[in-house]
Amino acid sequence: KQEVTQIPAALSVPEGENLVLNCSFTDSAIYNLQWFRQDPGKGLTSLLLIQSSQREQTSGRLNASLDKSSGRSTLYIAASQPGDSATYLCAVNGETSYDKVIFGPGTSLSVIP
Amino acid sequence: ETGVTQTPRHLVMGMTNKKSLKCEQHLGHNAMYWYKQSAKKPLELMFVYSLEERVENNSVPSRFSPECPNSSHLFLHLHTLQPEDSALYLCASSQVGGADTQYFGPGTRLTVL
Repeated sequence: KQEVTQIPAALSVPEGENLVLNCSFTDSAIYNLQWFRQDPGKGLTSLLLIQSSQREQTSGRLNASLDKSSGRSTLYIAASQPGDSATYLCAVNGETSYDKVIFGPGTSLSVIP
Repeated sequence: ETGVTQTPRHLVMGMTNKKSLKCEQHLGHNAMYWYKQSAKKPLELMFVYSLEERVENNSVPSRFSPECPNSSHLFLHLHTLQPEDSALYLCASSQVGGADTQYFGPGTRLTVL
């Protein structure tokens, strides 16, 4: 059974710092892994999607890496801003791309001005 | 705006009521999803429709009944719910066989009294 964990559960950093969020999964047979952002009371916003054959994806100040063999993904946020404050979720898709999507519990990020 | 809309945004219902949640996607996607987000729990996948066929999570109680009349619309019919069903219900869509990125709606905040 696939299990997804995220460390840390909460993180508070001063503005401008670079930071790393971690996601671990127990079953390496995944189709892809996706990072999302959730603002309070709102739906999820997709940040980055990494296919199982890829090692990383970049979008602006965000960089996500994937190491399938070790069951890990990291989300790197450069030069953090107060607007980055949100909960960040990672989700892994099973081998047929949609049959089983498992989400981690999320990391709550607070960027202090 | 992600191209996925959900109505209503908030719903309060009694345990004997029947109500429906609606989701509409304007992205031309061929897969749609229902998720449940309870307080302090990871996001859970409830149902998937791909190419208008249902891939069901067997652990979802029968008091939740999905309906996908076409590739753009998805409903979740609710009947005799329990207070523990109170949660944020999120709809998402994606292009299976394409980019696979899931786009989420804003969610419906459901309270069962």
